[in-house]
Parts: sequence; structure tokens; C-alpha cells
Amino acid sequence: AQKITQTQPGMFVQEKEAVTLDCTYDTSDQSYGLFWYKQPSSGEMIFLIYQGSYDEQNATEGRYSLNFQKARKSANLVISASQLGDSAMYFCAMRVNNAGNMLTFGGGTRLMVKP
Amino acid sequence: GAGVSQTPSNKVTEKGKYVELRCDPISGHTALYWYRQSLGQGPEFLIYFQGTGAADDSGLPNDRFFAVRPEGSVSTLKIQRTERGDSAVYLCASSLIGADGYTFGSGTRLTVV
Repeated sequence: AQKITQTQPGMFVQEKEAVTLDCTYDTSDQSYGLFWYKQPSSGEMIFLIYQGSYDEQNATEGRYSLNFQKARKSANLVISASQLGDSAMYFCAMRVNNAGNMLTFGGGTRLMVKP
Repeated sequence: GAGVSQTPSNKVTEKGKYVELRCDPISGHTALYWYRQSLGQGPEFLIYFQGTGAADDSGLPNDRFFAVRPEGSVSTLKIQRTERGDSAVYLCASSLIGADGYTFGSGTRLTVV
């Protein structure tokens, strides 16, 4: 079975600073994908970034980057130059490629950006 | 449509009643997923459709929960004899098979009183 662990229930960051949200995962499969989603108070899940297990370079999407450390089974999200609009819940998720197409989510981290 | 549409956005029902939650995926997306998100937690997988058939229903908590997708597009999640513990946000997502992108709807907030 797959498991995603997000150990930070809540995080504060000063506006314009960078912040790292932690995510560790557990799977015995070699082929998998890792995702980060943002969920603002309105409730929709917004896709941020994806990393495949065979990707050699860390994924980047604008201010978001994924610090992928395969041996440590971690996939931390780094948000640079935080903005007030970044305040939201953030979820790490995993899909194991030979075990169906569904995502397994972590418990989330609430990020609060201070002005 | 432009996105995944879920209706209703909010549903309040009495314990023991039957409810239906609807999901209208992005046109052409053959894969459709239902998740349940309880307060303060991450979404939990319920069921996954490829086309009209349920490819994986291992996340359905019990036989009170059932979902259909008769024409391979719109899906309905059906909950019989609702219980207070069923109160949650029910999220629907769709994707192309094999694609990395999943598009989520805004969810249906179900409250059982």
C-alpha cells in the first residue's frame, strides 16, 4: 500500500520569502508520480507541479519547485517569493503507475503568508 | 465544458435519506475519479471509472455507496441511508487515460443532520 506523510500541519512564512513544505512517501514500486496540489478556502484542488520517479531533474513550474530525493523518498515543495495569495492548504499526492490511476494524498499542510 | 462541474455545491440531508451527487467531467476525459475529503484531512479515494466501467471501487467504504457512469461521461455518486459520518466534501476529478494531469471539480459539501 502507498502512503504519503506531511509532517507539518501548519506553516507560517513572511511575504517574499521562500518556504519548503515537506512530503515523504512510501511505496515499493519503482514507477510512480508525485504531485502537489493547492486548495484555497474556496475548496477547489489546483494542480501545481508533477515529478515522475524516473525524472532525473527536479521539476519546476514558475515559483514552484520540487526537491525530489528518491533515496530518501521525499518530494518537498519549495515556493519562492511567497505571496499573500499563496495562503492555502497544500497536499502532496502519489500515483503508483501499475496500481491503477488514482492518487493517494497526504494529510496536508496549511500555509499562512504574513504581510 | 471548460472544467469539471459538480452539483449540487452544497447538500443538507437528514440521517437515513438517499442522496445523489453529480459530476460532469471535462469533455473527452475518459477517466473519472471520486474522492471524499473529511474536515482537516486529505482527499481519500473512493472509485475510479475508465469509460463506463468502474476500474477500481476499492475505496467505497461500504455497500451504501454506489457510483455509475452509464454513458462514459457524467457520473453520479449515490449514497443510501445516509449517516452523520458521511458528512464531507465529495470531490470529482477527470483525466485522459495515462495523462499526468487530473482536473478537480469544486466539490459537493454533504452535511447529514
